Order: sequence, then C-alpha cells, then structure tokens
Amino acid sequence: QKEVEQNSGPLSVPEGAIASLNCTYSDRGSQSFFWYRQYSGKSPELIMSIYSNGDKEDGRFTAQLNKASQYVSLLIRDSQPSDSATYLCAVNKRLEKSTFGDGTTLTVKP
Amino acid sequence: KAGVTQTPRYLIKTRGQQVTLSCSPISGHRSVSWYQQTPGQGLQFLFEYFSETQRNKGNFPGRFSGRQFSNSRSEMNVSTLELGDSALYLCASSWTGPEEPQHFGDGTRLSIL
Repeated sequence: QKEVEQNSGPLSVPEGAIASLNCTYSDRGSQSFFWYRQYSGKSPELIMSIYSNGDKEDGRFTAQLNKASQYVSLLIRDSQPSDSATYLCAVNKRLEKSTFGDGTTLTVKP
Repeated sequence: KAGVTQTPRYLIKTRGQQVTLSCSPISGHRSVSWYQQTPGQGLQFLFEYFSETQRNKGNFPGRFSGRQFSNSRSEMNVSTLELGDSALYLCASSWTGPEEPQHFGDGTRLSIL
C-alpha cells in the first residue's frame, strides 16, 4: 500500500463545475497536509495547507481534512480552464520528509 | 522576495559521468529538500538538509549525495550516472522543515545519453 494515494485520473470537468480531488494516507501520526498544483513543464506551487480536522476555504478552493478516516480532499468551485493541471497531495509529520501522492491530472473543458 | 533558484536549468550528460546541481533557497529559509520527478515514479524524496545537517534521507543509492552550506545554499551530486537518472530534479525550501509549506525552484532537467 502506498503511503499517500490519490484518486486516479485523469479527471475531466466542464467549466463552472466543481472538481473534487481526493487523497488518503496511511500514517495516522501525519500532522501537515498540503495541496500543490503543477502545470505541465513547471514546478509545483502550493495552493492549500491544512493542519486540523474540518474545512479550510481560500477563494474557490476548499481543503477538507478528516484524520479519523485518514482522508484529505480538495474542492475547486467554479472550475476554470486555467485550473487544468496536475494536483499533488503531500503529507508530513514534524521534522520528517514530505510524502507526495502520484498526482491527479485535472482538465477543465470550456 | 526572490524565489528558490536552481542552476543549471538543463544538463546533458553521458553514462558514468557525475553531476552537481545547485539550489539557493528563499532568504531566511533554512530547510532545503531535494526531489526527483519522473513520469513513472512521481515526486520522490531524496534528502532534506537543515543547518548544514542531513536530517532526512530517501531511498536512493549512495551515488546520490548532497550538502548544505552555512548560507543555506545546497548542492546535490550524482556520481556514476545511469540512464535511469534522467529526471527533473527539484529543490524546495521552507523556514524550518518540510512540515511547513515548501517553495519549489524551477528544477534542473537532467538527461543522460
């Protein structure tokens, strides 16, 4: 079992729809959770971080964390073609390495 | 504020050679992590340095090594290059560790002929 698993893609949604990206992790001691966006040919950039159970909203992005279920998700509302990218989930314990999922490729169709 | 700077951006080497990649973190960031990214394996952790000490290490052979200088700049070295080492090598920095948001450089794309 992989330490961090993301829903297999690619994921395709129409413009204006909600895109839902999911991530599960195996280490119950994990404390920090991140979503990075990576455009083709570019490096990852941070879009959301979440540390406690519940929802965290930032503009059109909402991260949801459920530590009991070892699950973190990212919702993108009103999806735009510019949101088309690969989304990477990263999980951490304090002072330990980051573990990344393989990524989910999202395509938003106009 | 300047971002994470990686040099060179592109490298072409042949099997058996060695290579050194450089990473300058964001000013004030003391933690530097290195990753290898390939289409088949995703983003794989190589090592993390903090205050000139290797604090974490991934599952890579000893041909992969690194170091960090007193100004937090870091270098990564790969010796006896193999075809499978062709990848995008990414450096990321944060204030005190990878449990914080990391800021990535543009990467060094290494091609082995």
